[in-house]
Parts: sequence; C-alpha cells; structure tokens
Amino acid sequence: DQQVKQNSPSLSVQEGRISILNCDYTNSMFDYFLWYKKYPAEGPTFLISISSIKDKNEDGRFTVFLNKSAKHLSLHIVPSQPGDSAVYFCAADTTTDSWGKLQFGAGTQVVVTP
Amino acid sequence: DGGITQSPKYLFRKEGQNVTLSCEQNLNHDAMYWYRQDPGQGLRLIYYSQIVNDFQKGDIAEGYSVSREKKESFPLTVTSAQKNPTAFYLCASSTPGLAIYNEQFFGPGTRLTVL
Repeated sequence: DQQVKQNSPSLSVQEGRISILNCDYTNSMFDYFLWYKKYPAEGPTFLISISSIKDKNEDGRFTVFLNKSAKHLSLHIVPSQPGDSAVYFCAADTTTDSWGKLQFGAGTQVVVTP
Repeated sequence: DGGITQSPKYLFRKEGQNVTLSCEQNLNHDAMYWYRQDPGQGLRLIYYSQIVNDFQKGDIAEGYSVSREKKESFPLTVTSAQKNPTAFYLCASSTPGLAIYNEQFFGPGTRLTVL
C-alpha cells in the first residue's frame, strides 16, 4: 500500500523551460515533505522540503508547492538545466509519530534536453 | 570532511550466504537508517535506529538484521532468509531537531548481487 505516489515515471523538458514534478499522498498524518535528487549509482541528496503549515517554499530555482486539501505537492524547477537530469523522489514524514520513517514515492526521471 | 561511507560499492554473493553491508557516519548523527531500492520503485525502509543499542523494524525487515553498538556504525546483514536480496542498499543518518526538521543524509549505496 503505497502512501506516496509519483505517477509520472519520466519527464522530458527543454533546457531553460520549467520542470514540474508531481506527488500525491494518501496519509493525512504526513506533516513534512521532502524532495530528493538522485544520480545513477549514487545516494539521494536532499533538495528542498516543506512543512504542512506552509503552502510554498522556495530555494533558488526550486519551489515546492503543497495543497493539503488535495494531498498533493509539486516541485517546480525553473529554469531547467542539463545538470538537473536525475531521478527525483518525493518523501513524506510524520513528525508527531515514528519520527524519521520517511515514505518515498517511486521517483520521476527527469531528462533535460538542449 | 563529514559524511556517510558505505562499503563496498559492489558486492557479489552466492545464494544462501549471509552478507554484511557496512555503514559508517562521522556526522555525529543520532539516527541511522537502511533503505532498499529496486528498479522502478522508491526507497523502502528496512531498519532504523534512533539511539545506540536500539533499533526498530521498518516496512520490509524480513530477512535482514542490524546492530547499533556504536553511534557511528549501523551494519546491515542480509540473511539467506531474504528471498530477493539483489538490490541497491542505501544507508542514511539524521539528527533530531527540536525546533527544526533535519533531513536525512544518504551514503553512496552498495549494489548487492546474489548469484
């Protein structure tokens, strides 16, 4: 029973355009959400996060939006760069219980083309 | 500089053999985690430990065992009872934040192939 879902396994975007990655969750107890970026044969690296008390968090080219009523979050990358080509994982946590037990989505492979 | 090391990067074992994957961190983090990644799937939590000498099962603990005798080390043993051990294994660590959330840092991973 997957509690975090990334329904798009892949995304192709032109360099300079916006990449939009989507993530849906089912557990209403999740109150913290993270995005990780992963290159092949490497460990994921933390990208950006958002608490459930916010609806937007921005860090440079990366912005995460949270819609709690829809149980949906998205990651916007603008402008997209070739180095952004990687797999992006959405993850969710319940900070009030079982702290640190992240639930991950299946990931979205982003390919940025010239 | 601080980080998480996992060794070896690639590991081959024969079916029926137990194998232990190493994970060491010098970030002074209290909590450590083991995840497994399979193709087309997200990371799934195997075991986690929030303090020394204590650990908890994650979502897919069957066929695995861990120990946490030192803060810096959290080895994972893949036993012969694990039915599909071939996977990419990732270790992570973090520290509890009182006022802020501290994300997990990941090691480079170990690819285990059982022949």
